[in-house]
Amino acid sequence: DIVMTQSPDSLAVSLGERATINCKSSQSVLYSSNSKNYLAWYQQKPGQPPNLLIYWASTRESGVPDRFSGSGSGTDFTLTISSLQAEDVAVYYCQQYYTGLGTFGQGTKLEIK
Amino acid sequence: EVQLLESGGGLVQPGGSLRLSCAASGFTFSDYAMSWVRQAPGKGLEWVSVISHSAGSTFYADSVKGRFTMSRDNSKNTLYLQMNSLRAEDTAVYHCAKGQCSSTSCYNDYWGQGTLVTVSS
Repeated sequence: DIVMTQSPDSLAVSLGERATINCKSSQSVLYSSNSKNYLAWYQQKPGQPPNLLIYWASTRESGVPDRFSGSGSGTDFTLTISSLQAEDVAVYYCQQYYTGLGTFGQGTKLEIK
Repeated sequence: EVQLLESGGGLVQPGGSLRLSCAASGFTFSDYAMSWVRQAPGKGLEWVSVISHSAGSTFYADSVKGRFTMSRDNSKNTLYLQMNSLRAEDTAVYHCAKGQCSSTSCYNDYWGQGTLVTVSS
């Protein structure tokens, strides 16, 4: 199974500042035949189900604010929030869908400093 | 508007059974793979099972294989999860989710609010 490891486990950022969350997979999730990275990012606010933010490592889901961006390839990925807003307080998860049942990272809790 | 509404959760004793349902609307249910993903209290996300759009294929996490059975009724736009031989570690909120799948695996673009399953004596 592919193991997804996020860092840090928690993060406190000031309003308007940049937040960066990292995700590392135990093996590459880049499919050579189509050059796509099979990596998604979700946001989960308290008491709510996860909400899809990013898929194919960098494609924003419809309706997701453009302050959210995804980058990376192979085994190392980053979710960046360019200017943190109060409503961005949540737990963020990465997920690989390269093989088998998708596996999630352990989550990164994002708070306001 | 896509809606996924789970039901059937509750308190069950260890070794007992429970059947979850997920009523889907707002999209062509029979065109999409569907999944169950669970979240233990205060913990992260764990994929439980996925079923292909036609119900021709199902896959399960090792932790539930042989105990849980996922099915769907495309005529009723409904997804099911039959859970047998329940254990304390199965205690979680169970979400159904609509899949966007490649040939290998899926990510989920819509999720239900979930239904809580508590396994305890």
